Amino acid sequence: SQQGEEDPQALSIQEGENATMNCSYKTSINNLQWYRQNSGRGLVHLILIRSNEREKHSGRLRVTLDTSKKSSSLLITASRAADTASYFCATTITGGGNKLTFGTGTQLKVEL
Amino acid sequence: GAVVSQHPSRVICKSGTSVKIECRSLDFQATTMFWYRQFPKQSLMLMATSNEGSKATYEQGVEKDKFLINHASLTLSTLTVTSAHPEDSSFYICSAPTGGDGYTFGSGTRLTVV
Repeated sequence: SQQGEEDPQALSIQEGENATMNCSYKTSINNLQWYRQNSGRGLVHLILIRSNEREKHSGRLRVTLDTSKKSSSLLITASRAADTASYFCATTITGGGNKLTFGTGTQLKVEL
Repeated sequence: GAVVSQHPSRVICKSGTSVKIECRSLDFQATTMFWYRQFPKQSLMLMATSNEGSKATYEQGVEKDKFLINHASLTLSTLTVTSAHPEDSSFYICSAPTGGDGYTFGSGTRLTVV
């Protein structure tokens, strides 16, 4: 089953603009991670935020977590064409061990 | 860092045959391996969790007799798709926890059943 729903499903922006993707989940979590997947390839871990954290930064990435709303957002600033990929949130739920469950994903296209 | 090597990367098989996918942890011991399936333009759906030395745990709706999982050693987990049908065509990917909150993923296997 899907733990997280992401929106938008697809996002098309111009290079240099910021891209924001949102993830909503259903149950209490231990942590939330964001991954990137280029077409037909493996996953690249981007960033992890724990349930007791509210915001984290890594380079051009900014992640927020609101556990009261059961939601997270991923902001990519100053996007580049090379950022074109699918982005997924993934969670480990409280009491669920280390099983990682993925959200529905956002397909980002950054155009020149 | 921890690496999981997944083979084959692509496989085409005839309907009714079986296909084995391997995931090897190269520089760490993987006591647990997660197996996911991904259909085009969709997310990763967890199929099962394999644990070294014990039976795999399957997610609801996943046929354990069709998707055979073996975790014979601390460095090798395999998924065998038995009696494959065209609807089994998908991208299969494995993942192992690496300690703390980390995970490493295989590069995936594109299975096409004709």
